[in-house]
Formats: sequence, structure tokens, C-alpha cells
Amino acid sequence: DAGVIQSPRHEVTEMGQEVTLRCKPISGHDYLFWYRQTMMRGLELLIYFNNNVPIDDSGMPEDRFSAKMPNASFSTLKIQPSEPRDSAVYFCASSSRSGWGAYEQYFGPGTRLTVT
Amino acid sequence: DQQVKQNSPSLSVQEGRISILNCDYTNSMFDYFLWYKKYPAEGPTFLISISSIKDKNEDGRFTVFLNKSAKHLSLHIVPSQPGDSAVYFCAAPNSGGSNYKLTFGKGTLLTVNP
Repeated sequence: DAGVIQSPRHEVTEMGQEVTLRCKPISGHDYLFWYRQTMMRGLELLIYFNNNVPIDDSGMPEDRFSAKMPNASFSTLKIQPSEPRDSAVYFCASSSRSGWGAYEQYFGPGTRLTVT
Repeated sequence: DQQVKQNSPSLSVQEGRISILNCDYTNSMFDYFLWYKKYPAEGPTFLISISSIKDKNEDGRFTVFLNKSAKHLSLHIVPSQPGDSAVYFCAAPNSGGSNYKLTFGKGTLLTVNP
């Protein structure tokens, strides 16, 4: 089975540009999470969805960040306008709420974003 | 406010010896804990977990110990292998209801030397 798919794997953009990161969760998973990893802050949750509905976006740093999940197999994280401090690795993860595995999240390979 | 803390940023051990990675937490409501392993340029992958009703969970070379009174858990790897070299994160879900949000520690880089 395919795991969580993220695209692009690497993104280099100039300050002020719009950036869109994409994620395809594992089929059948009803939770989707967006994380950001930086040296300073580690792995931090930005937002998560349940059945395509945003449940908790308290980790979204500011209004420049937005996330959508139009259907069960696709989600986007958009940064507009981007700033150098947004440079990080962004991970998407998904999980299924069945049984003891409910807490186990499956991560994608990440998108390394560099804003110059 | 870090609710899950991994105070050792790195650990180096010899192949064949035991690796012990530590994690402390502050939220006494946490009742389930997970360890993830991360290789460079990959996403974290689930390794092992433990419920607060247990004090030990073992899976092959990996054992997690939980000390609730000390709010401390540890991951033991015996024997350590060079392929175990990775960053290890401990994590805990927010308690209660259907909240599946995980809080991660900052990770410990384990290097196993041949």
C-alpha cells in the first residue's frame, strides 16, 4: 500500500511568493495532520482534520498560513506571502481511529521549504 | 511550555551495547505514549507505544518503560545496531475524548558506532 504522499519534496521560493504544499493521506484514514519541523521548535502541529473538517488550527502561526481538505484524499497547506522564517520541513501525517492504533500517525516524507 | 521533554539531544553507543533514550512529561493526564524513529530525509515512523496501565512494553530489541510517579519513560534498545542510528522522538496524545493530537519531544539523535 502507498503511504502518505507529499509534493513537492523540495521547494525553493523567494520571499513574498505563494507556496502550496500538497498531501495525499493513506486511503481509509480519517485524520490528517500538518506538522512543521525546525531546529528551534522541533516538530510542532499546525492543524489537523477529521473527516475533512478542521478540528484544531491553534498551531497555525499566523494568517499567512491556511489549510484545506476538499476531500478525503487530498489536502493543501498554503503560505501567502512566504517569509524566510517559514523555511522548515513540513510533514503531513494521517491516522485511523480504529483500536489501539488510533494514536499512531503515519508520516509522509516531508517537504523541505526554503524561502530566500 | 514543553509538555514532553527529551533532555539529551544526542547519544552515542557502541554496536551490541544497550541504548537508553529518556523522556519526561509534565502533564499527568497523559495516558498513552509513543516512540517514533526518524531517518534523515524521511518522515518519522512509529516504533513502539505504551499505555499508562502498563509499566513495560517489549517488541523485539525495543522495550519501553513507564514510571508514572516520576512522569518518566525510557526506550531501551538491546543490542544496538548501526541501523538504529536515527533521531528518536517520544510523543503523547492529548487526553480525553477523540482528541488525537500528539505532542512530540524535540528528539534524541542516536548514533550506534560499529
